[in-house]
Amino acid sequence: DAKTTQPPSMDCAEGRAANLPCNHSTISGNEYVYWYRQIHSQGPQYIIHGLKNNETNEMASLIITEDRKSSTLILPHATLRDTAVYYCIVRTGTASKLTFGTGTRLQVTL
Amino acid sequence: EAGVTQSPTHLIKTRGQQATLRCSPISGHTSVYWYQQALGLGLQFLLWYDEGEERNRGNFPPRFSGRQFPNYSSELNVNALELEDSALYLCASSPRLAGGHGSGYNEQFFGPGTRLTVL
Repeated sequence: DAKTTQPPSMDCAEGRAANLPCNHSTISGNEYVYWYRQIHSQGPQYIIHGLKNNETNEMASLIITEDRKSSTLILPHATLRDTAVYYCIVRTGTASKLTFGTGTRLQVTL
Repeated sequence: EAGVTQSPTHLIKTRGQQATLRCSPISGHTSVYWYQQALGLGLQFLLWYDEGEERNRGNFPPRFSGRQFPNYSSELNVNALELEDSALYLCASSPRLAGGHGSGYNEQFFGPGTRLTVL
């Protein structure tokens, strides 16, 4: 699976959009981009995934660049409960495992 | 719909003992995955079971083993416990892929974890 690079930490004011970047310059054509988050000491929670088109669900939006070498997770209106470590993962559909990096620690503040 | 459940929540053992951790997947899910999250380290893939078979294994010694039962629940066994085995052990489940394991994608849904402490 392709490696990903994320900033170690970010801050966001409550109510504002949180934009979390991820670089995956070695991604191959059959690899998906997944985002998970882990709130302190809980199991990771699936957020969203995509292949090459932008995706949106009730939690977030995923913007993937045309060359697929980077993506951005957008939380449109961050709340305090969105404070967590966010993991960007690139994997094929056949891969059995998720390879977690160090993620981005998002701190949402008042 | 009930999520992935794990038991026990906390487990305290001493060096050299064996630990058994249990996981019940979401109803209808056939795959179970185990991950280890040690303090200060990221989540490390341990094992993947599907349809009762071990499908893939992470870079862990053989004293980490497990099995999957006919009802798709799973056990993780850790023998000859060492201090560095202290960690949060997470179980995840996913549904059967529509086209089999050679196609598509599958989300993994995680349980709350078992906190293992080795003294």
